[in-house]
Amino acid sequence: AQKVTQAQTEISVVEKEDVTLDCVYETRDTTYYLFWYKQPPSGELVFLIRRNSFDEQNEISGRYSWNFQKSTSSFNFTITASQVVDSAVYFCALSGGDSNYQLIWGAGTKLIIKP
Amino acid sequence: GAVVSQHPSWVICKSGTSVKIECRSLDFQATTMFWYRQFPKQSLMLMATSNEGSKATYEQGVEKDKFLINHASLTLSTLTVTSAHPEDSSFYICSARRGPINSPLHFGNGTRLTVT
Repeated sequence: AQKVTQAQTEISVVEKEDVTLDCVYETRDTTYYLFWYKQPPSGELVFLIRRNSFDEQNEISGRYSWNFQKSTSSFNFTITASQVVDSAVYFCALSGGDSNYQLIWGAGTKLIIKP
Repeated sequence: GAVVSQHPSWVICKSGTSVKIECRSLDFQATTMFWYRQFPKQSLMLMATSNEGSKATYEQGVEKDKFLINHASLTLSTLTVTSAHPEDSSFYICSARRGPINSPLHFGNGTRLTVT
């Protein structure tokens, strides 16, 4: 069975601090895809990144970076120099053949950036 | 980039009435769209997969007669909540893929339904 665990329900940091959101997954697929989405208070879901299981190279996009480690089945997301606008709920998700490529969602982590 | 438009953004209706929510892919054709429901402070729950030109595929526990889905064209899917009750109040979000099955989903802005 496929499962995504985001153990951190809520994180609160002061602006400019770095913060890491954890994501641990379970799957029997050898080919699968991992995603991160952002849901700001307005409600829409914004796609941030997709990573396939064969690409363990870490990725950096501005203040955002992702660390994919197959050995620990983790796909963690780090925001450096956090800003108030980063406040949102962040979802990690997984898709693969085992779920017919439906997205399996984590519970989400609410990130609060205090000014 | 891909854009998915959802309308209305919010709606308040009386118990017993029906509400239709539209989901459009604005710059691409979507043979498949997905409807999710999200309860407060919870993750997304897939309700159904909307297939253009055929019947929707509903997830277990979702009443197909309650939540009518129509995918009339490659750019439009609608969700109708029939005979709405207060327990149907929720945030409904549609999504679509632009590309192959492993492509990321692009989401509409969601519809907040309140049934009084």
